[in-house]
Amino acid sequence: AQTVTQSQPEMSVQEAETVTLSCTYDTSESDYYLFWYKQPPSRQMILVIRQEAYKQQNATENRFSVNFQKAAKSFSLKISDSQLGDAAMYFCAYRGRNRDDKIIFGKGTRLHILP
Amino acid sequence: ETGVTQSPTHLIKTRGQQVTLRCSSQSGHNTVSWYQQALGQGPQFIFQYYREEENGRGNFPPRFSGLQFPNYSSELNVNALELDDSALYLCASSSGPLGYEQYFGPGTRLTVT
Repeated sequence: AQTVTQSQPEMSVQEAETVTLSCTYDTSESDYYLFWYKQPPSRQMILVIRQEAYKQQNATENRFSVNFQKAAKSFSLKISDSQLGDAAMYFCAYRGRNRDDKIIFGKGTRLHILP
Repeated sequence: ETGVTQSPTHLIKTRGQQVTLRCSSQSGHNTVSWYQQALGQGPQFIFQYYREEENGRGNFPPRFSGLQFPNYSSELNVNALELDDSALYLCASSSGPLGYEQYFGPGTRLTVT
């Protein structure tokens, strides 16, 4: 069975600095999706960034980028120029490419932004 | 474009009761997934509905059931509520069962006493 592990329950970063959130996963599949979701306090969960396993190039969305290491089954999220609005729970998630595959979430990392 | 909405926002029920939670999918989306998010945990997949049929189920007992309507809105029903059912229930819609971009609703906070 696939698993997703986020080993950092909480992290803090100074405003305008860079922070990296870690995620490892386990799967026997060769093709799948990986995601980072953001859940602000009392607000809806939104997709931050996604990566397709067959693509070697790391995904980037503005200040958010990932470091995808397929062999190591590692998928970290880097947030550059951290802003107060980045404070949230961040969830790493995995999903296979089969129609009946479900999304598996990690337990999350709470990110604090220090002014 | 209308986003995903859920009702009610909060709900308090007694152990043994039954509850129905509702979700309206985003315009143009035909797939709805339901998740249970316990406090301090990541969401756990309950089941997914695609064109009114269940299309995948997580490790939840049969007392968790669902329904999808022709307009693609959906209901989650939980019978014989237990204290451990207290959680945030999230609904997410997507365009097709393989739609990787899921749009989440704000959730329903269920408290079982």
